[in-house]
Amino acid sequence: EVQLVQSGGGLVKPGGSLRLSCEASGFTFTDTWMNWVRQAPRKGLEWVGRIKSKIDGGTTDYAVPVKGRFTISRDDSKNTLYLQMNSLRTDDTAVYYCHIPTVTSAGAYWGQGALVTVSS
Amino acid sequence: QPVLTQSSSASASLGSSVKLTCTLSSGHSSYTIAWHQQQPGKAPRYLMELEGSGNYNRGSGVPDHFSGSSSGADRYLTIFNIQSEDEAVYYCETWDSNTWVFGGGTKLTVL
Repeated sequence: EVQLVQSGGGLVKPGGSLRLSCEASGFTFTDTWMNWVRQAPRKGLEWVGRIKSKIDGGTTDYAVPVKGRFTISRDDSKNTLYLQMNSLRTDDTAVYYCHIPTVTSAGAYWGQGALVTVSS
Repeated sequence: QPVLTQSSSASASLGSSVKLTCTLSSGHSSYTIAWHQQQPGKAPRYLMELEGSGNYNRGSGVPDHFSGSSSGADRYLTIFNIQSEDEAVYYCETWDSNTWVFGGGTKLTVL
């Protein structure tokens, strides 16, 4: 059974940093591209960024609002995906989900979400 | 990059059927999409992947009263025999070489 278990959310002041983790199991994490997706309060889903599998280059791409401030990485030895968020702004307040897209997977999957609140 | 357009709301009675639409922007009418369901207070749940041909693959454990179809740039999610637990927001998703996009979501109210 595919499982994505997230950790690391919380309250942070504007300009601060936070790191989210997503521990994966039940599939071959090494071969799988991974996304981060966020959802601001009472809003829709917004793609944050993607990391390819190492065999496909391990490269990352980001949405414009987070480019230069957020970094996605992966530790294949720990089956874990990370989202490092720096220079946080109040409009980064959202529930953040790790997400397996269907590009390299037979079916998509979602983590349970982690709430990040940016407030002074 | 592609843009996905969804109606903001829809309603249907218990036991009836409803067809939700997701429209791809010009130049992207052949794209494959995915449908996701988000019940109140929960994480999204993957329903299916839907090709421009109309072929679709439901996710593991997704009941067969969800089906997909396509026509040109439109991608449809049809829900048959609607139950109360089908009340949710339904999002479509697609991707390009370096980006993913989501539609704004359709809130389905079960009457």
